[in-house]
Amino acid sequence: AQSVTQPDIHITVSEGASLELRCNYSYGATPYLFWYVQSPGQGLQLLLKYFSGDTLVQGIKGFEAEFKRSQSSFNLRKPSVHWSDAAEYFCGYYGQNFVFGPGTRLSVLP
Amino acid sequence: KAGVTQTPRYLIKTRGQQVTLSCSPISGHRSVSWYQQTPGQGLQFLFEYFSETQRNKGNFPGRFSGRQFSNSRSEMNVSTLELGDSALYLCASNLGGYETEAFFGQGTRLTVV
Repeated sequence: AQSVTQPDIHITVSEGASLELRCNYSYGATPYLFWYVQSPGQGLQLLLKYFSGDTLVQGIKGFEAEFKRSQSSFNLRKPSVHWSDAAEYFCGYYGQNFVFGPGTRLSVLP
Repeated sequence: KAGVTQTPRYLIKTRGQQVTLSCSPISGHRSVSWYQQTPGQGLQFLFEYFSETQRNKGNFPGRFSGRQFSNSRSEMNVSTLELGDSALYLCASNLGGYETEAFFGQGTRLTVV
């Protein structure tokens, strides 16, 4: 079945620490992969996307993600987290429509 | 440029009623898609419209329907509301190509009592 998994429901990191959010997908081919962020009461904002080419993609707000075909993964990373990064993060792909993972809620300690 | 606008932002309805939600896409965007977000089910795709035609449909009952107008504005209708329809309904617009970025509205929070 086609799906997206985000193994971590909730992650807490200290401000300034590094961050990695995990994402695995199941799809018949290489899909278009995305990471979106949702702040409380807000819609979704695109952080970055991968369609083809360089497997390390840079996004907004200092985020990057690496596509690993062999692991069917598209993990999101940030070297130094800011308090304003506290939000819910959704990994997903676009096949015939958007399929989103369940989300990872990020809390940031001062 | 103006973003995706969804109206109303909040709505309270009674079981059995029907509701219509509206989405105005970014100017020039021809594709509008709708999603339901709930704590239990996460983000689920409802349907997508492109140039007034439904291009894709998710796995929702027929009580959920939509349409798109010639100016690309879209409406979503839910008939015979159930308590389980309480959710945040998000709409997204893009230019129409699958590789183009989708911009999301802030959503309509529907509460069914």
